[in-house]
Amino acid sequence: EAQVTQNPRYLITVTGKKLTVTCSQNMNHEYMSWYRQDPGLGLRQIYYSMNVEVTDKGDVPEGYKVSRKEKRNFPLILESPSPNQTSLYFCASSSAGYRASSYEQYFGPGTRLTVT
Amino acid sequence: AQTVTQSQPEMSVQEAETVTLSCTYDTSESDYYLFWYKQPPSRQMILVIRQEAYKQQNATENRFSVNFQKAAKSFSLKISDSQLGDAAMYFCAYRRYTGNQFYFGTGTSLTVIP
Repeated sequence: EAQVTQNPRYLITVTGKKLTVTCSQNMNHEYMSWYRQDPGLGLRQIYYSMNVEVTDKGDVPEGYKVSRKEKRNFPLILESPSPNQTSLYFCASSSAGYRASSYEQYFGPGTRLTVT
Repeated sequence: AQTVTQSQPEMSVQEAETVTLSCTYDTSESDYYLFWYKQPPSRQMILVIRQEAYKQQNATENRFSVNFQKAAKSFSLKISDSQLGDAAMYFCAYRRYTGNQFYFGTGTSLTVIP
């Protein structure tokens, strides 16, 4: 089954304690992204990747890091989480074709992060 | 940066009726892609419909159709014969023609009244 998986699904942590949210896709997609969703703000892109070792900042990259060492994995790292990073996080992937149907993003189930 | 605006935070529709959700965007690019996503209470993001900017024909997927007005930078979603399962948050999204940058609107919460 084609899917994007994220772990953990729920996480409560304290300010300053480093954490990693994993994301993995089994569709051999080149493109992957991380988003955060906040009430009234919609989804905002944090980082995106166009292939292994190719990453770039989205709209809200401050306080986050990513890496793409393998095609299937795209972990999101919070080196020193703060309460303003409390949010719902989504990972997504898509293929690098040349038609809109190729750019359909497949989303993971989301990770609810609370930083106290 | 591109911006996507959904001016209707909440909408409601009677079951079996038709509803239109609005979306406008700001861009200086001539080629791009537009999408509508649905997010039910499960939080899962589900693609509803997509549109390539270079195509003049409006996209249609069963009960869902769009009214794409490129000059006006408008991309509205029409849901016909609304069903209870259509109740969800709907997001409009813009994707640049090259690269992997997406911009989402703030969403419209749709309630379907039995």
